[in-house]
Amino acid sequence: DGGITQSPKYLFRKEGQNVTLSCEQNLNHDAMYWYRQDPGQGLRLIYYSQIVNDFQKGDIAEGYSVSREKKESFPLTVTSAQKNPTAFYLCASSGGTLGAEKLFFGSGTQLSVL
Amino acid sequence: RKEVEQDPGPFNVPEGATVAFNCTYSNSASQSFFWYRQDCRKEPKLLMSVYSSGNEDGRFTAQLNRASQYISLLIRDSKLSDSATYLCVVSNFGNEKLTFGTGTRLTIIP
Repeated sequence: DGGITQSPKYLFRKEGQNVTLSCEQNLNHDAMYWYRQDPGQGLRLIYYSQIVNDFQKGDIAEGYSVSREKKESFPLTVTSAQKNPTAFYLCASSGGTLGAEKLFFGSGTQLSVL
Repeated sequence: RKEVEQDPGPFNVPEGATVAFNCTYSNSASQSFFWYRQDCRKEPKLLMSVYSSGNEDGRFTAQLNRASQYISLLIRDSKLSDSATYLCVVSNFGNEKLTFGTGTRLTIIP
């Protein structure tokens, strides 16, 4: 079945450690996105990519990095520069110009700091 | 002022009742509007797009008021399974970003 897969479901980070969240899709979508959700908050855009080998900063990119070497994959690295990384991270993809196409979300990764 | 604002609730509504909530947006150039549903600690899922003329999908009705810059969601004959957080989403044509509201939490009570 086509879909978007995030892993791991739960991730723990130690102080000063970089961690990478995986996001893979087999929907043949060009666009992929990373959002962060804090309790009682809406989704905030971290990074997005409209095409392979290209990505743009979202509203809260500081302390994060991404790569888009393959159409199917858009991993997110939470670096040690992100001082408040505890949140629910959602990856999404869409097949067309955002706003005209629905977003497909992965099931999310809950990141916590030890 | 936030780009997209929603009443966070919670709304506690008896089963079978009708419930409605609004979402206001600040950018008059906004072109596309959506309602997403999110269950606790799950991913959001598209509930319905919102069209200029208003649209209905079963028990759900979405309306857009461009003059007052708000969209609304009406749920008739509410079911226990309607309990969730409803996210209002807005985008501008050609803008790669969707802007999400903080969500309205709805609980249907037996």
